[in-house]
Amino acid sequence: SQTIHQWPATLVQPVGSPLSLECTVEGTSNPNLYWYRQAAGRGLQLLFYSVGIGQISSEVPQNLSASRPQDRQFILSSKKLLLSDSGFYLCAWSQGGNNEQFFGPGTRLTVL
Amino acid sequence: QKEVEQNSGPLSVPEGAIASLNCTYSDRVSQSFFWYRQYSGKSPELIMSIYSNGDKEDGRFTAQLNKASQYVSLLIRDSQPSDSATYLCAVTDSGGYNKLIFGAGTRLAVHP
Repeated sequence: SQTIHQWPATLVQPVGSPLSLECTVEGTSNPNLYWYRQAAGRGLQLLFYSVGIGQISSEVPQNLSASRPQDRQFILSSKKLLLSDSGFYLCAWSQGGNNEQFFGPGTRLTVL
Repeated sequence: QKEVEQNSGPLSVPEGAIASLNCTYSDRVSQSFFWYRQYSGKSPELIMSIYSNGDKEDGRFTAQLNKASQYVSLLIRDSQPSDSATYLCAVTDSGGYNKLIFGAGTRLAVHP
């Protein structure tokens, strides 16, 4: 069966510091991968998606970037965090034609 | 802009009652529709998928789809306090890559 991992689970960072969040998927190959952000009390905002190694598409302009160095690894980064980057960051995967997406446990980021 | 609309709630129902959650979407080309359950502080969990008009039942859950009216609903029969959560409606983005557009969610509270 497939499993998706995210770390760290929680993170408190000062404004202007760098960020690296990691997501890995087990039990599948060549999945589509997604990064979402959920602000407090809000819906899910798609940040990036990837259909293969090295292929990244950005949905919204921001100070974040994403990379996919391996088939089942997806990384979200920032060089300098803003207060507005606080939120719940979720990684998801999908595969096949049924469009179902499955989420990891998430990383709660607080920028102070 | 493609949108998915949900009543934010809270929807309060007594234990044992039927909870009815509704969702409308703007993109007529959307083909797949999903309901996710999100407990406070946790990541979304896929609970129902529906792809064709009509009803789909799974245990206490029934999803209903009406593509002509661009309307999706979720019925929860015999509601339990453990059903208290935020329910997110999601529809496929016609842009492909299994991308989904999420509503902001409806908070359901089931009281004993």
